[in-house]
Amino acid sequence: DGGITQSPKYLFRKEGQNVTLSCEQNLNHDAMYWYRQDPGQGLRLIYYSQIVNDFQKGDIAEGYSVSREKKESFPLTVTSAQKNPTAFYLCASSPTSGGGHGQYFGPGTRLLVL
Amino acid sequence: GENVEQHPSTLSVQEGDSAVIKCTYSDSASNYFPWYKQELGKRPQLIIDIRSNVGEKKDQRIAVTLNKTAKHFSLHITETQPEDSAVYFCAADNFNKFYFGSGTKLNVKP
Repeated sequence: DGGITQSPKYLFRKEGQNVTLSCEQNLNHDAMYWYRQDPGQGLRLIYYSQIVNDFQKGDIAEGYSVSREKKESFPLTVTSAQKNPTAFYLCASSPTSGGGHGQYFGPGTRLLVL
Repeated sequence: GENVEQHPSTLSVQEGDSAVIKCTYSDSASNYFPWYKQELGKRPQLIIDIRSNVGEKKDQRIAVTLNKTAKHFSLHITETQPEDSAVYFCAADNFNKFYFGSGTKLNVKP
């Protein structure tokens, strides 16, 4: 289980507030990902990064932003523009940007709106 | 982009029976297909994977098959046990961007 961590475990957001979810990995993985999971549904890709200082939008990037200033860190900000942010957020990493390897997931952050 | 479809959405089997979950993908460029198991409230965990140059892979009670021509791959679990109860996701790696199926909730009845 170790190697990729997320914090906090639970996060409460007020209307109009930006919140940042932390994701850290010590696996020396090149690629990192953010997914959103809604109850009873699969994983939808928000953003991904294959190398430091570079990232790409996934299928549901609107209302979210990311940065990749360090190899081990890939924080996700849920902005006030995201009107339905309540979900389970999963961060993942993968050994290489070349593909062909499975992803390792963090324990997740559950975001709730007050 | 890639589209992955997964069936069935729920599957109930008796302990000791086999379970099969099927996925199809749309983009022939996808070349790596992992399967994940997610227990309630937990993170998904990789249980088995297969690359596009392989037709079948087995690891104890679980196996995965891939038919590149038909663009479908399947997860097979034999001698199911109650601890196999979870949600299973298939995925396709398309240039290191992963596309997931919608998940199959497997219930193994004792």
